[in-house]
Amino acid sequence: GAGVSQSPRYKVAKRGQDVALRCDPISGHVSLFWYQQALGQGPEFLTYFQNEAQLDKSGLPSDRFFAERPEGSVSTLKIQRTQQEDSAVYLCASSPEDRGNEQYFGPGTRLTVT
Amino acid sequence: SQQGEEDPQALSIQEGENATMNCSYKTSINNLQWYRQNSGRGLVHLILIRSNEREKHSGRLRVTLDTSKKSSSLLITASRAADTASYFCATDQAGTALIFGKGTTLSVSS
Repeated sequence: GAGVSQSPRYKVAKRGQDVALRCDPISGHVSLFWYQQALGQGPEFLTYFQNEAQLDKSGLPSDRFFAERPEGSVSTLKIQRTQQEDSAVYLCASSPEDRGNEQYFGPGTRLTVT
Repeated sequence: SQQGEEDPQALSIQEGENATMNCSYKTSINNLQWYRQNSGRGLVHLILIRSNEREKHSGRLRVTLDTSKKSSSLLITASRAADTASYFCATDQAGTALIFGKGTTLSVSS
């Protein structure tokens, strides 16, 4: 079956530009997570949705970061006025409610801010 | 912030050897998971061990958990070149987000 997909896979943005990253979770998965992974580091939590409700956004590094999941399926992570420190791989993961905490990750979007 | 710390940071072994990597964490957990990440690809879930379990096996993988020491180990037996990847432990404290360590980079040469 189809896994988690993310688009684009690679994005180059000039500093100050806005970007939008898309995540298509596994069909039927109620939980959706965004993580940021800097080079050589482990993923760091950004935000969490249960269906369309954003239950935790404590990991978003600044108010330039915004995420939504309006219909409880596809999610978009938006970064406004990108800065060089935003360069990282952005990972999306989904999880079925009844499978504990095992998460299924997408391939990620590598964002480079120049 | 990152919860776990993997040790060693990097490990190089020959095919057929066993690989052991360790993870330490800081606070009480509900469960601990291990993930693998190949170069340029997403994370793949390997195994989950709950806080009331001490050992778990899955194929060539063996995971132990010592909650008194707040540590876990992942053993890969009879390693293959395809096992070359970064391995991360992740803990779940609040039932939602995972908190990852910095990872161990494993290189298996033939």
